[in-house]
Amino acid sequence: KQEVTQIPAALSVPEGENLVLNCSFTDSAIYNLQWFRQDPGKGLTSLLLIQSSQREQTSGRLNASLDKSSGRSTLYIAASQPGDSATYLCAVKAERYSGGGADGLTFGKGTHLIIQP
Amino acid sequence: DGGITQSPKYLFRKEGQNVTLSCEQNLNHDAMYWYRQDPGQGLRLIYYSQIVNDFQKGDIAEGYSVSREKKESFPLTVTSAQKNPTAFYLCASSGTSGRETQYFGPGTRLLVL
Repeated sequence: KQEVTQIPAALSVPEGENLVLNCSFTDSAIYNLQWFRQDPGKGLTSLLLIQSSQREQTSGRLNASLDKSSGRSTLYIAASQPGDSATYLCAVKAERYSGGGADGLTFGKGTHLIIQP
Repeated sequence: DGGITQSPKYLFRKEGQNVTLSCEQNLNHDAMYWYRQDPGQGLRLIYYSQIVNDFQKGDIAEGYSVSREKKESFPLTVTSAQKNPTAFYLCASSGTSGRETQYFGPGTRLLVL
């Protein structure tokens, strides 16, 4: 059974710092890996989606990498801002050998990030 | 605006009562999903549907039921058999190639009276 682990569980850094969030998964047979942001009491906002054939994706100050063979992904946030404070969730979609591609995602427990002004 | 709507935002359930959470999407997605989130936990899959009139159990389907009579709608019923229903429920949708982003609604918080 696929398991996703995120380290650290919580992180507090001063504004302006660059930071890295880590995600690992136990089964490398995945279609893709997705990073989400969740604000308190809200739904999830997709940040980056990396297909299994890709090594990284970038959006603004965010860069996500994927090493499928070792079961690892990192989310790099450059020049952090107080508005980046949120919980960041990593999720993988497993490959299936039968049926369609609409299976659900397997999530980690998230990293709770606080950016101090 | 395209997106996913969930209602109500808050829902209170009495002992022995069934309650239904609404999820509607206008993204023209074939696949829809229900997840449950407990404090400090990641999301866990309850049910998913790839197409109208078809749905599959996820990891924690016991005590829940769903229907998919329309492409746009995927309601979730929390039955009296679900003994610990207090949680944040999130609905999502996506295409069916297996490679698209899942889009999430704003969630419904269910509390037990």
